[in-house]
Amino acid sequence: GESVGLHLPTLSVQEGDNSIINCAYSNSASDYFIWYKQESGKGPQFIIDIRSNMDKRQGQRVTVLLNKTVKHLSLQIAATQPGDSAVYFCAETDTTDSWGKLQFGAGTQVVVTP
Amino acid sequence: NAGVMQNPRHLVRRRGQEARLRCSPMKGHSHVYWYRQLPEEGLKFMVYLQKENIIDESGMPKERFSAEFPKEGPSILRIQQVVRGDSAAYFCASSRGQPSYNEQFFGPGTRLTVL
Repeated sequence: GESVGLHLPTLSVQEGDNSIINCAYSNSASDYFIWYKQESGKGPQFIIDIRSNMDKRQGQRVTVLLNKTVKHLSLQIAATQPGDSAVYFCAETDTTDSWGKLQFGAGTQVVVTP
Repeated sequence: NAGVMQNPRHLVRRRGQEARLRCSPMKGHSHVYWYRQLPEEGLKFMVYLQKENIIDESGMPKERFSAEFPKEGPSILRIQQVVRGDSAAYFCASSRGQPSYNEQFFGPGTRLTVL
């Protein structure tokens, strides 16, 4: 079946460095993508989203890149801080179908070391 | 502005008992979504509801699971005759439901343990 997946299960990053988290998706009909951050024992927290009519979107210290040609999504975190340690999920949905239904990837654990 | 509220935060049940999980959406939100998360896995969609309507239940197991979002009160996810495999974190999310804007805000989750 179609799914969202991540390349790296764990990413270790030194404080102050930039982080890049990757995500592959296979549903070519997906037109809306979201990155969530989940800290231990908490619910997912929205970070940034992007629609399929864009290829880049920037937020505060975060940038999401979308490459529809190869069905690839990435999240870049600038100047990674200890508070960025968490599991990061990408999620996708086809808003023309059941736009309430998000499909999540397996997640990447980001560990920030001093 | 209170966020999405879920209760209980932790629930322990013995096999064969019933589990009831509650979700109160954010103020102004009329759309509710339930997801299940197994340890070290991503969230899996279960069901999407509006007030008094089930919009999409394609992720719900066919048996023992049901969900409702009544006109008044919280959304309820009900699991009858729980089994050990039901042990997971159950997250509720809510949104305004505007078709052009789909941001879902998540609650803290209910962690169900089946003994």
